[in-house]
Amino acid sequence: AQSVTQLDSHVSVSEGTPVLLRCNYSSSYSPSLFWYVQHPNKGLQLLLKYTSAATLVKGINGFEAEFKKSETSFHLTKPSAHMSDAAEYFCVVRPNQAGTALIFGKGTTLSVSS
Amino acid sequence: AAGVIQSPRHLIKEKRETATLKCYPIPRHDTVYWYQQGPGQDPQFLISFYEKMQSDKGSIPDRFSAQQFSDYHSELNMSSLELGDSALYFCASSPVGRGYTDTQYFGPGTRLTVL
Repeated sequence: AQSVTQLDSHVSVSEGTPVLLRCNYSSSYSPSLFWYVQHPNKGLQLLLKYTSAATLVKGINGFEAEFKKSETSFHLTKPSAHMSDAAEYFCVVRPNQAGTALIFGKGTTLSVSS
Repeated sequence: AAGVIQSPRHLIKEKRETATLKCYPIPRHDTVYWYQQGPGQDPQFLISFYEKMQSDKGSIPDRFSAQQFSDYHSELNMSSLELGDSALYFCASSPVGRGYTDTQYFGPGTRLTVL
């Protein structure tokens, strides 16, 4: 079965410091992987996606993620956090061989302090 | 750029009532998905449609039904509402085919509260 595990339920950083949100996936096939962000009382916004092209994927707002097959990881990083980055982040997998549903991780809450 | 539109944005119902949520996909997107996000939970897939036919089914209760219309908008009908149905309901759309390789773009959600 396909799944994603977000290793941290809550990450706290100071403004201007790097961000690392960790995600491991499990998939029998070559998956599509995504990071979505959800600000309080808002919808889900796509940050970036991996679909078997370049392993280093650049997204919006300075975020990027690296697909590492050997480690089954897809960690999200940003060099310098901004106050506006405070939100809930979801790592998501879509198993290409098994329907259309996205499978979400449990989410990581990112807090940014000044 | 046009986004997915959901209406209403907020809905309050009593137990055992019915509710209808509407979703208008991004223009030229032919696939629609519904997700349910309970309080403090991750979104769970309910059902999807491609070209007005159901294409995939997740953990959708039998009390719920959905359809996609000729203009590609979709409606989620919920009957005999229970307290546990209180959640944020997201609709997403994707542009091509059955959605296996296309990104899903989410609407702002409808917050349903059942009293």
